[in-house]
Amino acid sequence: DQQVKQNSPSLSVQEGRISILNCDYTNSMFDYFLWYKKYPAEGPTFLISISSIKDKNEDGRFTVFLNKSAKHLSLHIVPSQPGDSAVYFCAASGISGGSEKLVFGKGTKLTVNP
Amino acid sequence: EAEVAQSPRYKITEKSQAVAFWCDPISGHATLYWYRQILGQGPELLVQFQDESVVDDSQLPKDRFSAERLKGVDSTLKIQPAELGDSAMYLCASSPVGNEQFFGPGTRLTVL
Repeated sequence: DQQVKQNSPSLSVQEGRISILNCDYTNSMFDYFLWYKKYPAEGPTFLISISSIKDKNEDGRFTVFLNKSAKHLSLHIVPSQPGDSAVYFCAASGISGGSEKLVFGKGTKLTVNP
Repeated sequence: EAEVAQSPRYKITEKSQAVAFWCDPISGHATLYWYRQILGQGPELLVQFQDESVVDDSQLPKDRFSAERLKGVDSTLKIQPAELGDSAMYLCASSPVGNEQFFGPGTRLTVL
């Protein structure tokens, strides 16, 4: 059973517009959420995170929103740039078996068209 | 800027052969992770080390996979014998105290 779900495998937006990537989770024990960006043939790169005690975190063009009651988070990129084209992974962190673990979604491939 | 190093970047092998991957984490990071990422999926944890000790290897197929971090610094992941289904990207990550993990570039394994 997938604990972290990214239901959109792909998203295409125009340069300058907003990109919204969504993520749902099922485990209420998750207390920290992260977004990673991955280019082909490279490892994931940390982008932005949010603690479960917050509902918003902003870093430049990137904002993550957390709705705990809905077990939903989203990543907003404004304005979107062609260099943002990559696969974005949502990850949730929580204690399992006595250690902190990250559980990843399947990823959403974002394409920003010039 | 400090980075996680992995080698080789690409490995092609025939089934039933042995393969090994190496990871050097960011200096000072006590926690080291090995993940497997199959195309179209997110990374899945294989093994987690805290210093030289295994914290979690519940998802590691122990009949063919082994991992070690003898001195609590660099780590080796081995597969013997390799099977066709092992074709994937193998990612190493390290972490200081906290939630954020820093990933290396990965090793792309192809088993023929």
